[in-house]
Order: sequence, then structure tokens, then C-alpha cells
Amino acid sequence: ETGVTQSPTHLIKTRGQQVTLRCSSQSGHNTVSWYQQALGQGPQFIFQYYREEENGRGNFPPRFSGLQFPNYSSELNVNALELDDSALYLCASSLKRSGANVLTFGAGSRLTVL
Amino acid sequence: AQSVSQHNHHVILSEAASLELGCNYSYGGTVNLFWYVQYPGQHLQLLLKYFSGDPLVKGIKGFEAEFIKSKFSFNLRKPSVQWSDTAEYFCAVNEWTGTASKLTFGTGTRLQVTL
Repeated sequence: ETGVTQSPTHLIKTRGQQVTLRCSSQSGHNTVSWYQQALGQGPQFIFQYYREEENGRGNFPPRFSGLQFPNYSSELNVNALELDDSALYLCASSLKRSGANVLTFGAGSRLTVL
Repeated sequence: AQSVSQHNHHVILSEAASLELGCNYSYGGTVNLFWYVQYPGQHLQLLLKYFSGDPLVKGIKGFEAEFIKSKFSFNLRKPSVQWSDTAEYFCAVNEWTGTASKLTFGTGTRLQVTL
């Protein structure tokens, strides 16, 4: 079975720009979550998508937005980039959105904002 | 909201030494607990999980963890570490927000195993 794949692996943007990160979920997984991992920190929950709708969000501003497509793949969009947005962005997929649930993580997209 | 504390930020051990990494979460009720490992240059991988039942759970590569409900703890152990265990280890607790399931992670413990 294929795992979670993310693209691009690395990218550099300047402050104020916009970025789109992409994620293909593991085969059979219908729920996608996004996490931000700043340097030296644990991953922090951004939001979760299920049935193409956002159904939960962490402490992130509206300039962080996402999409989930009918094939369960997903995008994370960040507008008006700030220096503090520099981080590793992790996509995770799971078989269901609730209960005893195991997340499978992708390798991440490392974003540097200059 | 849940919070997770990992008290050891950086641990250095010699090969064959025993390992115990601490993890505490903030409040009780039904919890699902995880340890994830991130090897250098690799993605987060599940090491082990606790959902219910036997509080002593075994994972991959000889790791185990014990859930102690009264102490809100889920410590990770390994009797004898290997050089290849050098990695960052994250404890996490699953929380249902009412509409979504999210993992709350600790800040991680960097384990360095020397030969």
C-alpha cells in the first residue's frame, strides 16, 4: 500500500507571498489532517478534513485554509506569509475521523519564509 | 484542551543502556496515547499506541510503554538501546474536539545513542 505523499518537499517564499502544499492520502483513508512542526517543537494541529469539509481547526488564523478533494487528497494554502510560518508542514491521513484512530504521516513540506 | 509534557529534551546514552522517556498528559477521561519516532531525515512513524486494555503495550523495535492512569503518564521504555535508535521521540494524546480528532504532541525528546 502507498503511504502519504506530500509535495513539494522544500520551498522558499518571501514574506507576503502565498503557498500551496499538496498531500495524497494513504489508500483507503478518508480523513486528512495537517500539522505544523516548527524547529525544535512537536507538531501542532492546524485542521482536519473529512468528506471535503473542514471539521476541526487548531489555533491558526484564517489565512491558513485547505481543501479536500473527492479522491481524499488535500491542499493546504497559506496566504500573506509571515516569517513565523517557516516550519515543516505535515499531512496525515487516517481511516476515520474519530475514536481510536492511527494517523499515518507524510514526510512533510519544509517551508522557509524570507 | 489537552497538553503533553515530555520532561527529557535531550538524552545521551551508550549502546546497551536502558532507556526511559517520560510523558505526562494534562487530564483524564478516555484517552488514546501514542509514541511516534522521527529518525533523521525520515517521516514520523508510529512506535506504539494505547487505546484500552492491558496498560503495558509493546511496539516495534523492542520498545514498550506503560499507561498509568492515576499519574496521567505514558512512559516509553527500552531495556537496551542501539545506535540505530538515535532519533526524536514524540508522545501524543488523541483528543476529540466534538467535530474532529486531533493529536496533541509533546515537544519531543532527542535521543542520541553513542557507540
